[in-house]
Amino acid sequence: EPEVTQTPSHQVTQMGQEVILRCVPISNHLYFYWYRQILGQKVEFLVSFYNNEISEKSEIFDDQFSVERPDGSNFTLKIRSTKLEDSAMYFCASSSGGRATGELFFGEGSRLTVL
Amino acid sequence: KQEVTQIPAALSVPEGENLVLNCSFTDSAIYNLQWFRQDPGKGLTSLLLIQSSQREQTSGRLNASLDKSSGRSTLYIAASQPGDSATYLCAVSTGGYNKLIFGAGTRLAVHP
Repeated sequence: EPEVTQTPSHQVTQMGQEVILRCVPISNHLYFYWYRQILGQKVEFLVSFYNNEISEKSEIFDDQFSVERPDGSNFTLKIRSTKLEDSAMYFCASSSGGRATGELFFGEGSRLTVL
Repeated sequence: KQEVTQIPAALSVPEGENLVLNCSFTDSAIYNLQWFRQDPGKGLTSLLLIQSSQREQTSGRLNASLDKSSGRSTLYIAASQPGDSATYLCAVSTGGYNKLIFGAGTRLAVHP
């Protein structure tokens, strides 16, 4: 069964360092997302990406964050200068459905720990 | 601003019981509602998707209903098993490009 894959599963980094989280969405999907879950808190939306551009982003997704689909299969989330509060589980998701109607499929997550 | 609430926060039941998990949302202008399962430290597994025009969806022992006008959804689990132990999350799509707003989840423990 097709699935969303994410790497790394766990990354530990020092505050101020750049981090890139990688995702391979399901191959025929057109809509891509990043969500995050701080330990003990709700899953929260970061950004959606369609047709090679950001379609929507949350207040969390400030200038320190960026997304890219560099090669038609990978979808990456970059955090330029990590802060302690960026420590969280980051989930990539993809959907084949049109706007607002598609079922989202999530990856296993990348746990980011900022020291 | 859309808020999603799930009740109860935690539930512990003996194997074999039929369960109802509740989800409520404050703004009825949703496009769809999705139920997920999350095992500890793991990703989210999609269980059921209900479009706003639908009233219910079924998959195996799971049945989800949606009452959009009252801002409620329920997830019914029949004949619960220990393998059903997990956190169950409800999320609503608020339009745009399928931005999901999540509830905090119901942590379910089914004991033999």
